[in-house]
Amino acid sequence: GQQLNQSPQSMFIQEGEDVSMNCTSSSIFNTWLWYKQDPGEGPVLLIALYKAGELTSNGRLTAQFGITRKDSFLNISASIPSDVGIYFCAGYSGAGSYQLTFGKGTKLSVIP
Amino acid sequence: GAVVSQHPSRVICKSGTSVKIECRSLDFQATTMFWYRQFPKKSLMLMATSNEGSKATYEQGVEKDKFLINHASLTLSTLTVTSAHPEDSSFYICSASGPLNQPQHFGDGTRLSIL
Repeated sequence: GQQLNQSPQSMFIQEGEDVSMNCTSSSIFNTWLWYKQDPGEGPVLLIALYKAGELTSNGRLTAQFGITRKDSFLNISASIPSDVGIYFCAGYSGAGSYQLTFGKGTKLSVIP
Repeated sequence: GAVVSQHPSRVICKSGTSVKIECRSLDFQATTMFWYRQFPKKSLMLMATSNEGSKATYEQGVEKDKFLINHASLTLSTLTVTSAHPEDSSFYICSASGPLNQPQHFGDGTRLSIL
């Protein structure tokens, strides 16, 4: 089945640093989504991307839909302690697709 | 943003009990609702997909008779774990989406613990 390779698996960064994580796929996706999950809660949608090349920001978060449609990245600028959590990429792989494929997640730890 | 409410947030019960979890889309009509299971430190594992008024589609390896799904309206889906056993203990999360390719919005999950 479809797989998304998400990296890195985990990150430890100093407060104030910028963070970058990405997802790649062997097949084309037509929608990329980035979610954040805090412990004991459901994932919360951060950014949705619908077009190849699209660059979208949400506050300190920026995500891009890769030109090849096989990858996406998420950047977090000037990290703060509340950025701690697990970030998942997800995507829809075809027209008419209704099932999300998820990456395995990136666990972010921010050292104050 | 879209809001999905999941209830209860936590259940602790004895082995053999059946447990019902509700998932409601509060501010939009959900064409499709999804039920996931998440193991510690793992990604979400899709269990089943349900459309309003029709039978749910279960993923391979998920027992239909064990995990009963009812999607009676465009705003409500329920998952019933029948005759639950300790191995059914897990974090169950629902999501809802509108038309195709729209983002799924997730509930806050239900922590199920079977003693």
